[in-house]
Amino acid sequence: NAGVMQNPRHLVRRRGQEARLRCSPMKGHSHVYWYRQLPEEGLKFMVYLQKENIIDESGMPKERFSAEFPKEGPSILRIQQVVRGDSAAYFCASSPATETQYFGPGTRLLVL
Amino acid sequence: AQKITQTQPGMFVQEKEAVTLDCTYDTSDPSYGLFWYKQPSSGEMIFLIYQGSYDQQNATEGRYSLNFQKARKSANLVISASQLGDSAMYFCAMPGGGSNYKLTFGKGTLLTVNP
Repeated sequence: NAGVMQNPRHLVRRRGQEARLRCSPMKGHSHVYWYRQLPEEGLKFMVYLQKENIIDESGMPKERFSAEFPKEGPSILRIQQVVRGDSAAYFCASSPATETQYFGPGTRLLVL
Repeated sequence: AQKITQTQPGMFVQEKEAVTLDCTYDTSDPSYGLFWYKQPSSGEMIFLIYQGSYDQQNATEGRYSLNFQKARKSANLVISASQLGDSAMYFCAMPGGGSNYKLTFGKGTLLTVNP
């Protein structure tokens, strides 16, 4: 049973470009969560999605960030017009219901 | 709001010895859960163990166990018979913010296992 998959593992963008981070949950999991980890910090919650629905986006910055989890395909975290402060590790987690969350390997975003 | 405190930025332990990583929490929820995750240098987050506040016994998973003291609001992780592969960051986490899914993480403890 494959775990949570994220790609790319590393992403380099120049300021002003767009970053698209993908997450495929574990088989049978319909709940997806995105977290951000800044250097030497714990993870911070960003958004919680179920298929085709955003349940809680209270941790998402109001501008430039969006997330989706379509009926078919992976969940996408999209960051428009990236800035240096967006450099971080972005983790996706999934769960079959709101219980133990299993994390993917993360995407390390570097903004030059 | 929930708060997780991990007071040990770094810990050292000799191989084959036991080590305790501290975690204290603050919550007003009557029912809650505590999670521990391991983050090796490769960066992934690995779920280790979970304890519910109403669980009668301390949780155990292989060499990992939780020393859960509800009155002191602590949920320390005990790793027995440390191995070199245990060297990693360890994070304590609990759901909060009025939800049972929005995990709040501590700042982590960097464990180094010496041969």
